[in-house]
Amino acid sequence: AQSVAQPEDQVNVAEGNPLTVKCTYSVSGNPYLFWYVQYPNRGLQFLLKYITGDNLVKGSYGFEAEFNKSQTSFHLKKPSALVSDSALYFCAVRPGWDGGATNKLIFGTGTLLAVQP
Amino acid sequence: DGGITQSPKYLFRKEGQNVTLSCEQNLNHDAMYWYRQDPGQGLRLIYYSQIVNDFQKGDIAEGYSVSREKKESFPLTVTSAQKNPTAFYLCASSIDKRTGGLAGASTDTQYFGPGTRLTVL
Repeated sequence: AQSVAQPEDQVNVAEGNPLTVKCTYSVSGNPYLFWYVQYPNRGLQFLLKYITGDNLVKGSYGFEAEFNKSQTSFHLKKPSALVSDSALYFCAVRPGWDGGATNKLIFGTGTLLAVQP
Repeated sequence: DGGITQSPKYLFRKEGQNVTLSCEQNLNHDAMYWYRQDPGQGLRLIYYSQIVNDFQKGDIAEGYSVSREKKESFPLTVTSAQKNPTAFYLCASSIDKRTGGLAGASTDTQYFGPGTRLTVL
């Protein structure tokens, strides 16, 4: 079965420290990978995506993510966390064309990031 | 302003009632989607539509219905057949450029509306 895993329900980090939110996937073909952020009672905001090319993808608000094909991972990172980064983060994957085409996103269960001042 | 709007923000339903959630976009996107969000479960796809007058069931379509009569609108009806409708409902849209032709996977980003929180009383 195709799936996305976010192994940590919550990540705690002090303001100014680097942060990592983990995501691993299991899909057929070459996947397309996305990160979204959700603030309380709001919709999801797009942060960044990996389609092809450079494994390090830069996105909004200073976030970046690294695609690692051998480890089937797409971890979200930021060099210096802000209190305002505290939110729920979702990883999502769309299986690639060569693995059985679908236009549907498969979402992880989300990771709550808490940045302490 | 371009974007996706959902209404109402909060909706209360009595058991046995059908309710319709509105989703409108002025982004000229081809594809639209409905997701359900429950705590600890991420987002699950209910229905999606890649073109006007066509839509496909997602993973949890039972108890829901949709229509796509206009490009900008994709309303979702939660019927009395949906056993546990209390949830946060999110609408999304995207351009639908496909790699590999019509059967290929779209690489385009889905953009989300602000959501509707439905509570069954």
